[in-house]
Amino acid sequence: GESVGLHLPTLSVQEGDNSIINCAYSNSASDYFIWYKQESGKGPQFIIDIRSNMDKRQGQRVTVLLNKTVKHLSLQIAATQPGDSAVYFCAESAVGNEKLTFGTGTRLTIIP
Amino acid sequence: DAGITQSPRYKITETGRQVTLMCHQTWSHSYMFWYRQDLGHGLRLIYYSAAADITDKGEVPDGYVVSRSKTENFPLTLESATRSQTSVYFCASSAVMATDTQYFGPGTRLTVL
Repeated sequence: GESVGLHLPTLSVQEGDNSIINCAYSNSASDYFIWYKQESGKGPQFIIDIRSNMDKRQGQRVTVLLNKTVKHLSLQIAATQPGDSAVYFCAESAVGNEKLTFGTGTRLTIIP
Repeated sequence: DAGITQSPRYKITETGRQVTLMCHQTWSHSYMFWYRQDLGHGLRLIYYSAAADITDKGEVPDGYVVSRSKTENFPLTLESATRSQTSVYFCASSAVMATDTQYFGPGTRLTVL
């Protein structure tokens, strides 16, 4: 599959460990945030989202944390598996903006 | 449930030729989008559409044309392809609002020689 970003930040994690992927945003008006996963050769896939009236939201093996004070978003993946290897990126939108803004992504590599 | 599909998946063309990339969604989503993804740039919005016959420019619209005569289809045309348009193109859709969760197609890898 094609590479989506040779200069992406990378994170290597041992299989079975927890992963934390971070995302910073700059717009204080941002009120909706989404994490996407993109495997090699595929389109981005929705993982989890959170609105600005929440600090934390949990899904299956994933948790998103939102810190509005420092404009920081994180994705935690519990007990990482080989299938978690992918590029992860956040997207955000603000009230009055008709578009999502995507980050450039972090490449997560799982070490067997 | 087919979801959102793109065709072709791979395309090689020459500079100056016209190319049309197809996007089809089966959800009756209102919004549809075209993005390009390049090394070091992430996803950049080319054009989007709020409904049939309503389209608007995104971040990088130059050299592209879109139309949306039916809700389910959103073709992207490169009127005269250039090498700088070599990229992976993704189509996406969202249900009601542009800022709803967007669901992406599998992508079209376009190479312009």
